[in-house]
Amino acid sequence: DGGITQSPKYLFRKEGQNVTLSCEQNLNHDAMYWYRQDPGQGLRLIYYSQIVNDFQKGDIAEGYSVSREKKESFPLTVTSAQKNPTAFYLCASRLGPESEELFFGEGSRLTVL
Amino acid sequence: QQQVKQSPQSLIVQKGGISIINCAYENTAFDYFPWYQQFPGKGPALLIAIRPDVSEKKEGRFTISFNKSAKQFSLHIMDSQPGDSATYFCAARNSGNTPLVFGKGTRLSVIA
Repeated sequence: DGGITQSPKYLFRKEGQNVTLSCEQNLNHDAMYWYRQDPGQGLRLIYYSQIVNDFQKGDIAEGYSVSREKKESFPLTVTSAQKNPTAFYLCASRLGPESEELFFGEGSRLTVL
Repeated sequence: QQQVKQSPQSLIVQKGGISIINCAYENTAFDYFPWYQQFPGKGPALLIAIRPDVSEKKEGRFTISFNKSAKQFSLHIMDSQPGDSATYFCAARNSGNTPLVFGKGTRLSVIA
């Protein structure tokens, strides 16, 4: 089955540690996105990538980093510079400019202890 | 600056009733307006979408009403069921390859 796989589903980390969230898709989609979801805040865009080896900052990129070395993979690193990292992180993908629909993974919940 | 304003934040509807969620936008360059449905612990999924060249789109019990002059669009869920209980997000996007901008979401509870 085609889809988007995010891992881990739950993650705990101590303050000051970096953590990397995995996002893999087998839909052959060109574009991939990372959103952060907080209660009452909706979905806020962190980073997105429209092609391999290229990515752009979203609205809340500070304290995060990404890479896009392969079409199917778009990992997100939450660095120690992110002041409030506890959140639900959603990865999404879209086929390309000719397709409107955004497909989401099931999310990763990060808790900083 | 919030580009898409969604209301209400939460909504409780009796089974069989009509659920209505509203969104407003400022950017007149937006030309695609989807609604996403999210169940607890899951990622959102596209429910229904509309473009500004039509005023209404219906898919089953779900209808989008679009008012271009008022820069508003709304989701109507007819004959609401407990299985419709979820969080609903409106969104909007410019033409081209720009990312979706989401509203803050509405938590819908349908009670029997």
